[in-house]
Amino acid sequence: DAGVIQSPRHEVTEMGQEVTLRCKPISGHDYLFWYRQTMMRGLELLIYFNNNVPIDDSGMPEDRFSAKMPNASFSTLKIQPSEPRDSAVYFCASSSLRADNEQFFGPGTRLTVL
Amino acid sequence: GNSVTQMEGPVTLSEEAFLTINCTYTATGYPSLFWYVQYPGEGLQLLLKATKADDKGSNKGFEATYRKETTSFHLEKGSVQVSDSAVYFCALTHLSSYKLIFGSGTRLLVRP
Repeated sequence: DAGVIQSPRHEVTEMGQEVTLRCKPISGHDYLFWYRQTMMRGLELLIYFNNNVPIDDSGMPEDRFSAKMPNASFSTLKIQPSEPRDSAVYFCASSSLRADNEQFFGPGTRLTVL
Repeated sequence: GNSVTQMEGPVTLSEEAFLTINCTYTATGYPSLFWYVQYPGEGLQLLLKATKADDKGSNKGFEATYRKETTSFHLEKGSVQVSDSAVYFCALTHLSSYKLIFGSGTRLLVRP
C-alpha cells in the first residue's frame, strides 16, 4: 500500500484566496482525521470521519474551514478565505479498528498564506 | 478530561547515551498508549504502543511500559544514535472515541 497520500505537499497563497487540501486514506481504513501543526499550538485535531461521515468537528477553528469526504478514498479540507494565521502544516491520517486504532499519517501539506 | 503531559524539550544527548522521555496521562478507564515519532519534514509514524496495564511496547531499541499505578508511559532507549534525532509524541486513545490525544512533543537532538 502507498500509505496516506496528501496533495499538494506545499502551498503558497495570498490572503483571501481559497485553499483546498486533499487526502487519500489507506484502502480499507474507515477513519480519517485532519490535523494542524504549528509551533505555537502543537498538533491539533480539526475533524474526523467514520465511514465518510463527520463525527467530531469541534476542532475546526471557524466557519472559514470546511471538510468533506465524498467517498471512502478521498477527503478535502477547504479554507475560504485564507488568512496568514492559517499558515501551518496540515496532516491527514487514517485508521481502522482492526489495526488497534493505530493512525497512519500522510506527509503533510505545508501551507503558507501571505 | 483526557490529557497527556510530556517533558519539555529539547533534549540534547551525545551518541550512545541513555534516553528517557517522560510521559504521564490523565484518563478515565483503560486507554491505549502510543509513542509516535516525527522526523524532520515528515508526518508522524507510530513507534510503539501498549494496550493494557503492564504491557511493554518496543521497537527499534525503544521501549515503554504502561504503568497504571503511576499513570505513566516513559520512553527509553539504551543507546541513542544521531538518526534518532526527531520529535517524539506521547498519545492516548480510547476505543470508544478513536481520537488520539497527543502530548506537546519532545524534541530530541543527538550529537555525534
